[in-house]
Amino acid sequence: NAGVTQTPKFQVLKTGQSMTLQCAQDMNHNSMYWYRQDPGMGLRLIYYSASEGTTDKGEVPNGYNVSRLNKREFSLRLESAAPSQTSVYFCASSESLTDTEAFFGQGTRLTVV
Amino acid sequence: GEDVEQSLFLSVREGDSSVINCTYTDSSSTYLYWYKQEPGAGLQLLTYIFSNMDMKQDQRLTVLLNKKDKHLSLRIADTQTGDSAIYFCAETLYNQGGKLIFGQGTELSVKP
Repeated sequence: NAGVTQTPKFQVLKTGQSMTLQCAQDMNHNSMYWYRQDPGMGLRLIYYSASEGTTDKGEVPNGYNVSRLNKREFSLRLESAAPSQTSVYFCASSESLTDTEAFFGQGTRLTVV
Repeated sequence: GEDVEQSLFLSVREGDSSVINCTYTDSSSTYLYWYKQEPGAGLQLLTYIFSNMDMKQDQRLTVLLNKKDKHLSLRIADTQTGDSAIYFCAETLYNQGGKLIFGQGTELSVKP
């Protein structure tokens, strides 16, 4: 019953460093998403993947790249971290883009100093 | 455009009803959702309403949809301290590939 698993849970980076946030789901879902959550701004969509082999930009894609490695895994990469990328990152998945429910991971709290 | 607006804070006494409001701008939305986020956790779907409905009730939760005013509300009856959380309104933009767009979230504080 793992659902959506994100790693790591916490990370501190120096400006300019790179890192990859990992996400895996075990529900055989087709669609996966990356959001960032900032105080007073709700969740903003960074990138999403409608199905294996496809990725599309969301509202705030600049500074990020994604890879849909297979049906289970969807990673988010920061090539050169900036303080503005300090945030809580959530991965989510759903059966399809038009499915009524998205399942969320526990989040990754990233601080860029 | 795609914009979902909520007030940021709501404080109620235990046992009272809570009403959390949301406005959205995209009339193409087919489904509208309420998600709950407890401290340190991800989001969980509480309930959703199809856009051709005016009201949906699920135990202590009542969702009201006013399509003319693009206004969605969530009423929690007999609010308990365990209901303290952040509540997010969200809509699915089917004309943009089904993206799920969230409001800012309303932090509900329930005082004993």
